[in-house]
Amino acid sequence: NAGVTQTPKFRILKIGQSMTLQCTQDMNHNYMYWYRQDPGMGLKLIYYSVGAGITDKGEVPNGYNVSRSTTEDFPLRLELAAPSQTSVYFCASREVGTDTQYFGPGTRLTVL
Amino acid sequence: GEDVEQSLFLSVREGDSSVINCTYTDSSSTYLYWYKQEPGAGLQLLTYIFSNMDMKQDQRLTVLLNKKDKHLSLRIADTQTGDSAIYFCAESIETSYDKVIFGPGTSLSVIP
Repeated sequence: NAGVTQTPKFRILKIGQSMTLQCTQDMNHNYMYWYRQDPGMGLKLIYYSVGAGITDKGEVPNGYNVSRSTTEDFPLRLELAAPSQTSVYFCASREVGTDTQYFGPGTRLTVL
Repeated sequence: GEDVEQSLFLSVREGDSSVINCTYTDSSSTYLYWYKQEPGAGLQLLTYIFSNMDMKQDQRLTVLLNKKDKHLSLRIADTQTGDSAIYFCAESIETSYDKVIFGPGTSLSVIP
């Protein structure tokens, strides 16, 4: 039982490049989330999903897209990277009952 | 609006007790959480309390909830150097996706 895994751990992008951040969970959780964490700030919700085939925007969705074709996977896509997207990105899945979110180790992204 | 506030820094001596405080604004919260983030790692759930409880104790951790004042605290007894980390307070609000709002995090430094 690996929990929530994310790849890559680090990435440097040039302005205008695109990339996909991968997230996988093996706990059979329906709810999954993508957050970004900026220094001195709390986590901001980018997108969430309540189950396979269902996604919706969070607080800061601009510049990002997601898909959820399976329960396990919830990739986050950046189409045209901008310096404002330099951040640490966390994926999480949620356990029903206690509403506890389990987090992946994060992806540190720098856009130059 | 929905907001969670914490002081950003706390420094304590090894062996002393640490108390990390948090205030929140939304009275409809269902659960309140404390997460720990060690350098370069994701958030790890430390403990949570249901909104109709006043106190929860778990080994060295004591969580106190004052619903009237919307104040949550985390007390760590006999603080160790391994407790040095960022501690996030969070509340879950009953919405279509059970929104979780995180505070900015309190950086705890333990002085040997």
